[in-house]
Amino acid sequence: DAMVIQNPRYQVTQFGKPVTLSCSQTLNHNVMYWYQQKSSQAPKLLFHYYDKDFNNEADTPDNFQSRRPNTSFCFLDIRSPGLGDTAMYLCATSRGLGGETQYFGPGTRLLVL
Amino acid sequence: DQQVKQNSPSLSVQEGRISILNCDYTNSMFDYFLWYKKYPAEGPTFLISISSIKDKNEDGRFTVFLNKSAKHLSLHIVPSQPGDSAVYFCAASVPGTYKYIFGTGTRLKVLA
Repeated sequence: DAMVIQNPRYQVTQFGKPVTLSCSQTLNHNVMYWYQQKSSQAPKLLFHYYDKDFNNEADTPDNFQSRRPNTSFCFLDIRSPGLGDTAMYLCATSRGLGGETQYFGPGTRLLVL
Repeated sequence: DQQVKQNSPSLSVQEGRISILNCDYTNSMFDYFLWYKKYPAEGPTFLISISSIKDKNEDGRFTVFLNKSAKHLSLHIVPSQPGDSAVYFCAASVPGTYKYIFGTGTRLKVLA
């Protein structure tokens, strides 16, 4: 089945220790998104790629970076995690047309100690 | 500035009855609205959508209603089943972009 896969599902890191979250898709979608979701809050868009074009949200901290080496993979790098970065990180894809649904991965739950 | 709001954090409904989940938005330029369902430890899954040029879309037990003048949409589930127990998010598509704005979610519990 075509799907969106995120690894790892759970990640514990120490304050200030860099961490990389991975997302892959078999849907061959043009757009890939990274969201941060904290408890009882709406998923918050961090950035998205349309093919290789990177689009950063204005309020995404510089601490968060992303790479998309090819259509299938997208990475979220947190250079110096703070305690406030503890959250669920969701990857999603879409074909990119107006109103197209997004397909989400299962998420990576990150805990910063 | 939360552009998409789900004011009810939780809702309990008896099995077989109707569940009505509500969503309000502030930007009249939103062109598509989507509902997602999320089970614990899983990512959101798409449920149903509606274009801003329509006022109703139906798919089986799920119907979404859009009231543009009130900037309000609702998701009706009838009849509700215990398997519908989940968190439901509404989302709005920002025209001219690939972005979606999500609400904070409503936790639905269907009681057997």
